[in-house]
Amino acid sequence: QQKVQQSPESLSVPEGGMASLNCTSSDRNFQYFWWYRQHSGEGPKALMSIFSDGDKKEGRFTAHLNKASLHVSLHIRDSQPSDSALYFCAASGLSSGSWQLIFGSGTQLTVMP
Amino acid sequence: ETAVFQTPNYHVTQVGNEVSFNCKQTLGHDTMYWYKQDSKKLLKIMFSYNNKQLIVNETVPRRFSPQSSDKAHLNLRIKSVEPEDSAVYLCASRQGREQYFGPGTRLTVL
Repeated sequence: QQKVQQSPESLSVPEGGMASLNCTSSDRNFQYFWWYRQHSGEGPKALMSIFSDGDKKEGRFTAHLNKASLHVSLHIRDSQPSDSALYFCAASGLSSGSWQLIFGSGTQLTVMP
Repeated sequence: ETAVFQTPNYHVTQVGNEVSFNCKQTLGHDTMYWYKQDSKKLLKIMFSYNNKQLIVNETVPRRFSPQSSDKAHLNLRIKSVEPEDSAVYLCASRQGREQYFGPGTRLTVL
């Protein structure tokens, strides 16, 4: 069973709309969470990290962490076609070893012009 | 701005051949990784290398081996490739908690 699960598998939103991505961990030892974004033909790049309960906002992107439920979400407001990419949730902590990141299976986001 | 460099970008080879991929990071990081990204885009860690300590994912076949000359370089050798080795191979480095990925090498095994 994968320790980091993402939903939905794919998501389409209109330009200017709100995209919401979800991630749930099955391991309570995970303490640190990231969102990575991968455009076609490139390697994943860290979008933002969140380590504390609550919201973290960076521009159009807001991450939310609830450690009690092991749930992380990413909300993208005013979505742009350039946001179309594969988004990974990643977690690390005591059980992953040497801060090794455990990645979810990804959410493919398509923003339609 | 790229700080983790991988060569080649693409490689096509036949079953049974040996291939080698290069990775160099200019970030001064102590830890480097190799990941395999399959056709479903799943990221699977293969190796991590830190201060000459190699940690191997036990599911990685023995035909795969990492090679490091210094902490800035971690190459990947595949001895006798198989069709299921067709994938994108991503190199990454880490200092602290964030990882930085290279652009990947796409391997096609005919």
